[in-house]
Amino acid sequence: GAGVSQSPSNKVTEKGKDVELRCDPISGHTALYWYRQSLGQGLEFLIYFQGNSAPDKSGLPSDRFSAERTGGSVSTLTIQRTQQEDSAVYLCASSPRTGFFGEQYFGPGTRLTVT
Amino acid sequence: EDQVTQSPEALRLQEGESSSLNCSYTVSGLRGLFWYRQDPGKGPEFLFTLYSAGEEKEKERLKATLTKKESFLHITAPKPEDSATYLCACYQAGTALIFGKGTTLSVSS
Repeated sequence: GAGVSQSPSNKVTEKGKDVELRCDPISGHTALYWYRQSLGQGLEFLIYFQGNSAPDKSGLPSDRFSAERTGGSVSTLTIQRTQQEDSAVYLCASSPRTGFFGEQYFGPGTRLTVT
Repeated sequence: EDQVTQSPEALRLQEGESSSLNCSYTVSGLRGLFWYRQDPGKGPEFLFTLYSAGEEKEKERLKATLTKKESFLHITAPKPEDSATYLCACYQAGTALIFGKGTTLSVSS
């Protein structure tokens, strides 16, 4: 079946612009996660959605970052007033299990470059 | 501070040369330890979950083990297609996964 898809695959933006990154999870998966992977760093948790519950936003690095999930499926990560330190690969994952207890299925990521 | 440390950062092997990757953790109250494989330009791919010390899991040439302080990913007679970055992640109740920085494995024929 179809895996997790993300778009765009690459995004180059100027400092100060807003960007939107999209994630389509595996159909039927109720849990959705966003991570950030910077060069030489481990994956950094950003936000977690579970069904219709309030999202776990504990990993968002600043109030410039926000995310929403519509209809329990597609999710959008928005970064406002982008900074050069926001340059990274943004990964989305989904899981058929709740929390962080189960295996997660990752998309290919969106490479964001802020110039 | 909870930490997950992987070693070595990079490992070069000849085809057929077995070795082990290490993941040490200081996470308290570990509920699960995950291994993922990541190929260049792709997202991580799930390999194993280990839940308690003494547990072992195998998949083809890979075998993962867990103690109270660390996990090993043993690679037996590796092939070039095993070349990838291997990521370890720890889960403790009430928090998100904590990932290590990974070990990049290169297997040459």
